[in-house]
Amino acid sequence: DVKVTQSSRYLVKRTGEKVFLECVQDMDHENMFWYRQDPGLGLRLIYFSYDVKMKEKGDIPEGYSVSREKKERFSLILESASTNQTSMYLCASSLPGLAGGLITYEQYFGPGTRLTVT
Amino acid sequence: RKEVEQDPGPFNVPEGATVAFNCTYSNSASQSFFWYRQDCRKEPKLLMSVYSSGNEDGRFTAQLNRASQYISLLIRDSKLSDSATYLCVVEYGNKLVFGAGTILRVKS
Repeated sequence: DVKVTQSSRYLVKRTGEKVFLECVQDMDHENMFWYRQDPGLGLRLIYFSYDVKMKEKGDIPEGYSVSREKKERFSLILESASTNQTSMYLCASSLPGLAGGLITYEQYFGPGTRLTVT
Repeated sequence: RKEVEQDPGPFNVPEGATVAFNCTYSNSASQSFFWYRQDCRKEPKLLMSVYSSGNEDGRFTAQLNRASQYISLLIRDSKLSDSATYLCVVEYGNKLVFGAGTILRVKS
């Protein structure tokens, strides 16, 4: 059974703090993703990675960075947290698609981290 | 036009009812389509993939209409446990784009 874990369920940080969100998957998946979910907007892709040390920007990368030093771990970093980054953050992983990287297989999500920036 | 659009609902239906959701997408080149289910305060989970010929999984039927660029999900004989948010998901090149979701509430 695929398991994706996230370091915290709830996090409260102050404006300007550096924030690290960790995600670990145990199924040897090549692809990993970070999304944020806000009411009425759905899930929006922040960054994704299809291999160790590889990263690609998603739709809303501004204010975020990522790190993937090991295959099972994908970290999201908020360099200087702001109140508009208050959100639910979801990590996901998947196998690569048939075209060798295209993301067409099921994504498995972690339980999410609800981040509040005050 | 949004990449993936869904009616947010909520759809309030009695147990046993049949309910259908539609979803439209803007990229005519998309090849893969999915429905995910998200329970309250939980993570999304894959409900079913959507194939060109349409597919059925028990009480759930998914249809794809490429000409009109929409996907549908039909739920027959609704159960209380079907209450959730249903996310329409469309592949756009190297990423999946999620709709904002349709809320379903099944009441006894």
